[in-house]
Order: sequence, then structure tokens, then C-alpha cells
Amino acid sequence: SYVLTQPPSVSVAPGETARITCGGNNIGGKSVYWYQQKPGQAPVMVIYYDSDRPSGIPERFSGSNSGNTATLTISRVEAGDEADYFCQVWDGSNDQYVFGTGTKVTVL
Amino acid sequence: EVQLVESGGGLVKPGGSLRLSCAASGFTFHLYSMNWVRQAPGKGLEWVSSISIRSSHIYYADALKGRFTISRDNAANSLYLQMNSLRAEDTAVYYCVRDRESISGIGTGMDVWGQGTTVTVSS
Repeated sequence: SYVLTQPPSVSVAPGETARITCGGNNIGGKSVYWYQQKPGQAPVMVIYYDSDRPSGIPERFSGSNSGNTATLTISRVEAGDEADYFCQVWDGSNDQYVFGTGTKVTVL
Repeated sequence: EVQLVESGGGLVKPGGSLRLSCAASGFTFHLYSMNWVRQAPGKGLEWVSSISIRSSHIYYADALKGRFTISRDNAANSLYLQMNSLRAEDTAVYYCVRDRESISGIGTGMDVWGQGTTVTVSS
């Protein structure tokens, strides 16, 4: 089955840029979705189709996808961005959604 | 307001069964594919199952095939998950989730999430 690998944690100072990677075999050929989950809350979609933002998501959140790596970038990081972030794809070869392992973003 | 409200969680013994329900409101339920996603305590997100708008396409995580059954009632704006032969490792919060694009098939991402219902499997 398809596997998505994320770094367990990323630390960033307020105002700096956080980059969260999601590795998968030829992930550039798939559409990637990203979710933010704060403690005790349900996940929220922050990026769809690699780089599109749902309504209400700040422009500070952006995404890219090429080759074997997709990246979620959070610019001008704020304390409120501290959360777990999960990438996701639809694996059409096996008819299943796959989630990444998740990355905890800590704002220093 | 677009909303998904899960119910039916609780404490069940190993080998037991449970049926989760999800009530949808604020959108045209029968035009959207739907999903169940679960999260074990302190762990990441795990996709469970998906169902298309007319139930013609149904998919399950490999590890759950044969024990879990997803279904929907478009007239009642409801999604269900029948869980049988439950194990301790099925302990999790179960989320009802909408696929993002209407009419399209499954796989467009998940844009609306319920608050989840907790299932605990323990003797």
C-alpha cells in the first residue's frame, strides 16, 4: 500500500517560515491535501489539490508538490499555527485514502 | 450552517458490535461522497471507509475489510458505520467527514468534519 512520510516535528520562531514535507513515491502525480488539527479539535482542511486554499484559510498557508515530495509552507508563523499537520492523498490504484504520519509544529 | 453530528459511540467489550450514525445538515447530502476517519488516542489520522453518492462505490481500509460496513440513507441525510468483532485496537475517535466536491467521485479531499464520537473497546 501507498505510504506517506512526514517529519515528526518542526519548530519555528514566530514570524518565520515553517516547511512541512510529505514524502511518497511519485507523489507529484497525485493530488495532495493538508489538514491542521489542534488539540481536542477535529481536523481542518488547509490545502487541497496541492496548492489551493479553502475559503477562510489565510494566504500564509501555501502548498507545492513535485517528484517524491509535497510541501506545506506556513509563512509569518503565529502562535495560533501550533498544531498537528497531516498530508493526504487518494491512492487510485488501491481505491483508498492515505494519511501521512503527521507533523507537530511547535512555535517557539 | 454545514454540520455533521456523530452519535453511537461508547464502551463495548471485545468481540462486540456498535453502529455509528452521522446526521448531516446545512448542505445537499445526497450530492456528496462521505467518509469515516478514526484517530486512536495520541495517534494520527486513519482513513476507515468511503461511500459514493448513490452507494455504488464503497471502499474500506484493507485492515478493516469484513468487519466494518459503511452505508447511507440519503432520504434521512444520514451516514452509518456498522462495526463488528471489535478489538482493543479499534478504540478511537471516529469522525464523519464530507468529500469536498459535490457530484464527483470519492477522492477530492475532506472539507467538513464532525466533532467525532468515541469508541472504547475494553473488557
